[in-house]
Amino acid sequence: EVQLVESGGGLVQPGGSLRLSCAASGFTFSSYWMSWVRQAPGKGLEWVANIRPDGSEKYYVDSVEGRFTISRDNTKNSLYLQMNSLRAGDTAVYYCAREVTMIAVDYFDYWGQGTLVTVSS
Amino acid sequence: QSVLTQPPSASGTPGQRVTISCSGSSSNIGSNIVNWYQQLPGTAPKLLIYSHNQRPSGVPDRFSGSKSGTSASLAISGLQSEDEADYYCAAWDDSLKVVFGGGTKLTVL
Repeated sequence: EVQLVESGGGLVQPGGSLRLSCAASGFTFSSYWMSWVRQAPGKGLEWVANIRPDGSEKYYVDSVEGRFTISRDNTKNSLYLQMNSLRAGDTAVYYCAREVTMIAVDYFDYWGQGTLVTVSS
Repeated sequence: QSVLTQPPSASGTPGQRVTISCSGSSSNIGSNIVNWYQQLPGTAPKLLIYSHNQRPSGVPDRFSGSKSGTSASLAISGLQSEDEADYYCAAWDDSLKVVFGGGTKLTVL
């Protein structure tokens, strides 16, 4: 059974940092692109970043470029999101999601339960 | 402001057919595939439709998707109370980034 379990969320002051983790199990983690998607309270979904299976390619939404870093450790079946210079607008539930990527096909087929990040003084 | 435009709400009575629209541009829906996600209250999103009109295993055939030009639609026939949820369209953009619609809250009256 595919499982994605996020951790590391919490309350942080503006300008602070936080590192999120996503523990994957039930599939060959090293074969899949992985993404982080966030959802501000009462708002819609926003894709944050994704990373290639071998970690060699990374893409970010413009609003986090230069502040957030996505990474992975395939030996630990884990995905990470290092978040620096946090702003109130980064307050959200952060989900990790597995991507299925093939010719003419690209979608998120499994999602974690999410971890809440609150940026406030 | 979301890149893809969806109506904020939709509603229908049990048994009815409802459609939810998703409007984009030539750089996202117009040239890339569209996926739909369902988010039940208090839960994580779930894949509902992929590649415009494909259903993952376990998704009832009451759900269907289509795409025309720079727009896409999700149709739900035989509406049921358990279909009450938020629905999101998503597409890759030519800049290799994912864009979502703002979401549509479906109410079953």
